[in-house]
Amino acid sequence: DGGITQSPKYLFRKEGQNVTLSCEQNLNHDAMYWYRQDPGQGLRLIYYSQIVNDFQKGDIAEGYSVSREKKESFPLTVTSAQKNPTAFYLCASSLAGGPTGELFFGEGSRLTVL
Amino acid sequence: EDKVVQSPLSLVVHEGDTVTLNCSYEVTNFRSLLWYKQEKKAPTFLFMLTSSGIEKKSGRLSSILDKKELFSILNITATQTGDSAIYLCAVAPGGNTGKLIFGQGTTLQVKP
Repeated sequence: DGGITQSPKYLFRKEGQNVTLSCEQNLNHDAMYWYRQDPGQGLRLIYYSQIVNDFQKGDIAEGYSVSREKKESFPLTVTSAQKNPTAFYLCASSLAGGPTGELFFGEGSRLTVL
Repeated sequence: EDKVVQSPLSLVVHEGDTVTLNCSYEVTNFRSLLWYKQEKKAPTFLFMLTSSGIEKKSGRLSSILDKKELFSILNITATQTGDSAIYLCAVAPGGNTGKLIFGQGTTLQVKP
């Protein structure tokens, strides 16, 4: 079945450690996105990529990094520079240019920093 | 600054009630407004609205957009416990990035 797979679903990390969240899609979508969700704040855009080997910062990119070496994959690294990394992270994809906006979401990764 | 605001932030109703969720927005070069339902993890798509005054309907859910007053409503009639979820409103601004700007979400709890 076509879809978006995120892993791991749950992750615990000690302060000062980097962690990488995986996102893979087999929908043949060109564009991929990472959002962060905190209670009461909706979804905020971290990074997005419209094409392989290219990506742009979203609204809250500080402390995060991404790569887009393959169309299917868009991993997110939460670095030790991210001051408040505990959150729910959602990966999404859409057709090129996101015609009128519909995104398809993965099931999310919940990161807890101890 | 582009902004999407939802109200109320949370709502508790009983089965059979009708609810109305609100979404107002201020964005540059509006393209579309979308509603998503998030039960546990992945948000699932409900509606996409691009034109004013045209109601979209799916079963007990319906939504309409007012581009003059810059808002949308999502109605749920005869609510069921399975409607309990976070309802997210998002707007696609101008440009070709595919980015969406999300509101804070409305948490709906439907009690038996």
